[in-house]
Amino acid sequence: DAGVIQSPRHEVTEMGQEVTLRCKPISGHDYLFWYRQTMMRGLELLIYFNNNVPIDDSGMPEDRFSAKMPNASFSTLKIQPSEPRDSAVYFCASSRGQGQANYGYTFGSGTRLTVV
Amino acid sequence: AQRVTQPEKLLSVFKGAPVELKCNYSYSGSPELFWYVQYSRQRLQLLLRHISRESIKGFTADLNKGETSFHLKKPFAQEEDSAMYYCALPMASGSARQLTFGSGTQLTVLP
Repeated sequence: DAGVIQSPRHEVTEMGQEVTLRCKPISGHDYLFWYRQTMMRGLELLIYFNNNVPIDDSGMPEDRFSAKMPNASFSTLKIQPSEPRDSAVYFCASSRGQGQANYGYTFGSGTRLTVV
Repeated sequence: AQRVTQPEKLLSVFKGAPVELKCNYSYSGSPELFWYVQYSRQRLQLLLRHISRESIKGFTADLNKGETSFHLKKPFAQEEDSAMYYCALPMASGSARQLTFGSGTQLTVLP
């Protein structure tokens, strides 16, 4: 398995533009998580899915952020419109559910977003 | 509420010296605890989990329920251990699997 795959690796965009980040979880993992990493706040959970259904999106900072998981092998995180304070590294992670809970997460390589 | 505290943002040790990265937690129930490592500009990787009582890359971590700690230790640090280390535990027991991470400790091993 290639692990959790995120694209793009780097994204530079202008303020006000729409940004879409993509994630392919590990096959067979039924949980998918989106995290944001910044120097100031460390790792923040934005949203997570179980069996493609959003379970908790309380970490999504504003309505400008939205996430979808149309099927078990694909998820997107969209920011519209983007702002400079959204600049961060966005990580996707997947894991198996309860019963195999001690595996922890497998993270993707992250998308480094810069909004200018 | 479940919380993870890593009191040191930065930690520097010399090569060959012992290293201990501190992690304290608050959790209702029996916690599962993890250490993740992030080498420079790379993805976070699971380093070890307390349930398996393993030693990875010479690192160990013992759960101390009395002190609510899960400190990461290595007797002889190597330069390649320089990285960001995160302690993590589930935000809730049961089927919810989201982890909450500490703020991280940047370890620098000096030559």
